[in-house]
Amino acid sequence: AQKITQTQPGMFVQEKEAVTLDCTYDTSDPSYGLFWYKQPSSGEMIFLIYQGSYDQQNATEGRYSLNFQKARKSANLVISASQLGDSAMYFCAMREDHSGYALNFGKGTSLLVTP
Amino acid sequence: DTGVSQNPRHKITKRGQNVTFRCDPISEHNRLYWYRQTLGQGPEFLTYFQNEAQLEKSRLLSDRFSAERPKGSFSTLEIQRTEQGDSAMYLCASRPDGSVGSPLHFGNGTRLTVT
Repeated sequence: AQKITQTQPGMFVQEKEAVTLDCTYDTSDPSYGLFWYKQPSSGEMIFLIYQGSYDQQNATEGRYSLNFQKARKSANLVISASQLGDSAMYFCAMREDHSGYALNFGKGTSLLVTP
Repeated sequence: DTGVSQNPRHKITKRGQNVTFRCDPISEHNRLYWYRQTLGQGPEFLTYFQNEAQLEKSRLLSDRFSAERPKGSFSTLEIQRTEQGDSAMYLCASRPDGSVGSPLHFGNGTRLTVT
């Protein structure tokens, strides 16, 4: 069963606007971590932000914030003040503390920032 | 910190040939992962090493695939009798410790094309 679901194959946003990329997850492990990665067309995977299942506050890193709704099992990425360089694939991923070592990725969302 | 290094960047091979890829993780990282990524998909977990011990293998890792990390430093991934379905980007990643929140640091990948 798919553990990470990203329902938006593609998104458009205008430069300087904010955009939310959706991610829902499925786990019965009480301890887990959620990650977002960016993959530009050049191919490298760039770590953006992390949220732990026990964290009380939503994670923020510069223009990136994570809207963590534990009861809904969602961990949406919010990018504020979009820039042209934000155009890329974005992947949500989860690691479960008691279910192996893998970081499991969703299928990704392609974001295009337009001028 | 020179980052995770993968060689070669590209490999074209004929069906039935064997190929080997190399990954050099960040030097102080004792945990190493291999992933496979096909076009339009997220990375799929293949295998995990903690030091020289291979602790987890995905069912995606058929018996034609073998990975080693002989001295707990660099790792190799070998594919025997390649098939066209093996064409993909092979990503290596490392992280320094086992905490649920430590992110993976990825290399730029090896793109395999099987003709």
